[in-house]
Amino acid sequence: DAGVIQSPRHEVTEMGQEVTLRCKPISGHDYLFWYRQTMMRGLELLIYFNNNVPIDDSGMPEDRFSAKMPNASFSTLKIQPSEPRDSAVYFCASSLYTGELFFGEGSRLTVL
Amino acid sequence: AQSVAQPEDQVNVAEGNPLTVKCTYSVSGNPYLFWYVQYPNRGLQFLLKYITGDNLVKGSYGFEAEFNKSQTSFHLKKPSALVSDSALYFCAVRDHNYGQNFVFGPGTRLSVLP
Repeated sequence: DAGVIQSPRHEVTEMGQEVTLRCKPISGHDYLFWYRQTMMRGLELLIYFNNNVPIDDSGMPEDRFSAKMPNASFSTLKIQPSEPRDSAVYFCASSLYTGELFFGEGSRLTVL
Repeated sequence: AQSVAQPEDQVNVAEGNPLTVKCTYSVSGNPYLFWYVQYPNRGLQFLLKYITGDNLVKGSYGFEAEFNKSQTSFHLKKPSALVSDSALYFCAVRDHNYGQNFVFGPGTRLSVLP
């Protein structure tokens, strides 16, 4: 298996623009997580899905953030409009019910 | 609610010496415990986990961890550190009595000095 695949690896955009981050989980995994990592706040859970259904989105910073999982093999995290404080590395990870998380390599977002 | 503490921001150890990275946790039910390592500009990589059974768990790259229920700890250890072990280490807990969320500690930066 190729592991969790995230795209793009790097994104530089200007404030106010829409940003879409993409994730393909490991086949067969029924949980998908989105995390954000910054120096100041460490690793923060944004949202997680079980069988494509959002279970806990309490970590989503505000209405500018949205996440979808239209099928078992694809998820998106969208920021609209983006702000400089959204600059971070965004990780997608997937797992089975009792298993460990498998992380993608992350999407580094810079909002100017 | 679940929580994970890693009391040391930074651990320095000489190459060849044993290393310990500390982790304590708080959960409402039986914990599933994990250690991850992160190298610069990379995603987190799984090292080892405790689900049930033997309190001493062995994982990748010669690492092991000891589950101590009375002290609610899950310290990561390695008998002989390598310079290549220098990285950021995260402890995490998954409490099946509180949804399926993973909660991560703040991370401990390990520096192995040659």
